[in-house]
Parts: sequence; C-alpha cells; structure tokens
Amino acid sequence: GESVGLHLPTLSVQEGDNSIINCAYSNSASDYFIWYKQESGKGPQFIIDIRSNMDKRQGQRVTVLLNKTVKHLSLQIAATQPGDSAVYFCAERTNAGKSTFGDGTTLTVKP
Amino acid sequence: DAGVIQSPRHEVTEMGQEVTLRCKPISGHNSLFWYRQTMMRGLELLIYFNNNVPIDDSGMPEDRFSAKMPNASFSTLKIQPSEPRDSAVYFCASSLGGSVEKLFFGSGTQLSVL
Repeated sequence: GESVGLHLPTLSVQEGDNSIINCAYSNSASDYFIWYKQESGKGPQFIIDIRSNMDKRQGQRVTVLLNKTVKHLSLQIAATQPGDSAVYFCAERTNAGKSTFGDGTTLTVKP
Repeated sequence: DAGVIQSPRHEVTEMGQEVTLRCKPISGHNSLFWYRQTMMRGLELLIYFNNNVPIDDSGMPEDRFSAKMPNASFSTLKIQPSEPRDSAVYFCASSLGGSVEKLFFGSGTQLSVL
C-alpha cells in the first residue's frame, strides 16, 4: 500500500557552507518563536528564540530572521558542520504557554 | 545539572495493557508538557500543566489517555487500554513558564504496542 506520512523538507549542504532553513507559520497573533534541533534518538533541543517585536536575532553561528508581513521565519547556520545534521523545527507560541511545532526540516551535512 | 528525566526509555506492551510513562521536570520549572511524536503527525502537544494544574488537554486523543501532576517534580501519562496506534515516542518537556517559553525536552519514551 501507499505510505502516508509527513514529507519533511530536506536540505543537503557541504561542510563549511552556510545553511538556511525556512518555516512558515500560520497565526498572525503568534508573539514568540523558537527553533529546535532534534538529533536521532533524542528530544528536541533549544537553539534560538525571537519575539515578535524583533526581526533578527543572532546567536553563536546561528541567526533567526522573522518576517511578520509574510509570516515567515528562517534559521541561518554559518559554516555548517557535520554535527549540525539533524531535524530542525520551528515552534510558535499561539496562546500563553502553548507552543505549536512545524513539521521539521532534515538537514544533512556532507563532509 | 540534570535535565528532564523520563522513564522508561523504551516500553513494549501488548494491546489492552495499561502503560504509564513518567517524567521528572527540571527543578524550578513551573510548566510541564507532554508531546507525542510520530512520522504521520509529527510533534503533537497532548497536555500541559502550569504550577501542577492542567491548563490545556485538548490534544489528548481520547479518554484512554490521562495525565497527572501530583507535585512539582513528577508527572505521569497513562494509557489504558493501550492500542497499536498509540505506538510513538512520547516526550515530556518543562519550562520556567511566564515569558520564558523555551522548552527543555527529555529523551523520550519509545512506546510500542503490539
């Protein structure tokens, strides 16, 4: 039978290149956004967050950009390393205390 | 520092049996969340607690699922009776709450219902 399930976007990059992972969110009232990284066999791990009153925030090797006009979020990873290979999720807070996760993007880093 | 601790790490059971998943949140965190992850549906929020009180259980699939948080350091998610379609990875997460919303996840419980 036909397999039905989530078809996660995938991104394959060369080690040392920059990666850009995109996310579209649905609720214009969302006021807080988070990127998580999930490695195989582990729970999601916080990477970086941004509030809706900002459009850019930088961390160590990572930058998050928020475009509220088109409800779009992106995660940029500089100088991607093999250890960055994982599934990346964006999450939006739509109600106080409740985070909704996107489907995720699988990042593969080729050595 | 100890993170969120979940047990068991793996659970294999037969259809119809009761399953209890356990979670110890990070000390000092006020909010606790139970998520389920499957290939079909991704990460789904089942229920969350704030200061040990259930706030939103709209994600609990049906009455077979129940969750409790008797104190600030312990929560359980129970499935009774279990069914094969409950097979998934169940994650517990905690956060400081309030305006600090980033979640700290446990390693998950891989549940297989045969």
